[in-house]
Amino acid sequence: EVKLLESGGGLVQPGGSLRLSCAASGFTFTDFYMSWIRQPPGKAPEWLGVIRNKANGYTTEYNPSVKGRFTISRDNTQNILYLQMNTLRAEDTAIYYCARGGYPSYWGQGTLVTVSS
Amino acid sequence: DIQMTQSPSSISVSLGDRFTITCRASQDIGNYLSWYQQKPEKSPKLMIYRATNLEDGVPSRFSGSRSGSDYSLTINSLESEDTGIYFCLQHKQYPYTFGAGTKLELK
Repeated sequence: EVKLLESGGGLVQPGGSLRLSCAASGFTFTDFYMSWIRQPPGKAPEWLGVIRNKANGYTTEYNPSVKGRFTISRDNTQNILYLQMNTLRAEDTAIYYCARGGYPSYWGQGTLVTVSS
Repeated sequence: DIQMTQSPSSISVSLGDRFTITCRASQDIGNYLSWYQQKPEKSPKLMIYRATNLEDGVPSRFSGSRSGSDYSLTINSLESEDTGIYFCLQHKQYPYTFGAGTKLELK
């Protein structure tokens, strides 16, 4: 059974940083692209970026809206996906999901990030 | 960025009715489109991929189609479990972009 479990969300002040984790199980992690997507309360999801699989060199793509502030990485020995978020703003407040695939075929349950003073 | 214009934004439908949601792409996306269903307080679930392919386990009353730059999700014979919000996603070109969503409620 595919499982994706996000963690690391919480309340952070504007300008602060946060690192989200996504523990993956139930599939061969290195075979898959992995994505981060966020969804502000009551709004549509926003694609943040993707990290490719082993066959494609684990390269990354980002949404320009977060490029330079957010970094996606993966630990392929522990099957964990990461999202490092820096210089956070109030508009970054959202539920953050990790997902399997370049186009997300399976989503985690999400972790809430609130940016507020 | 490719804009995905989704319509309608919300609709009330009766049990057993047929219902169609449409996303119009601002550029050619060549069938690189997925449909997702989201229930309250839950993460989105993939329903259709590559415009017309039904994800495993999704009921056959769901179908996807394309006409030019318009991509549609149709639900035949609506059931109560089909309520929720539906989003399209284009994955032809980075950054991938979602439609604004369609809220489907029972009449």
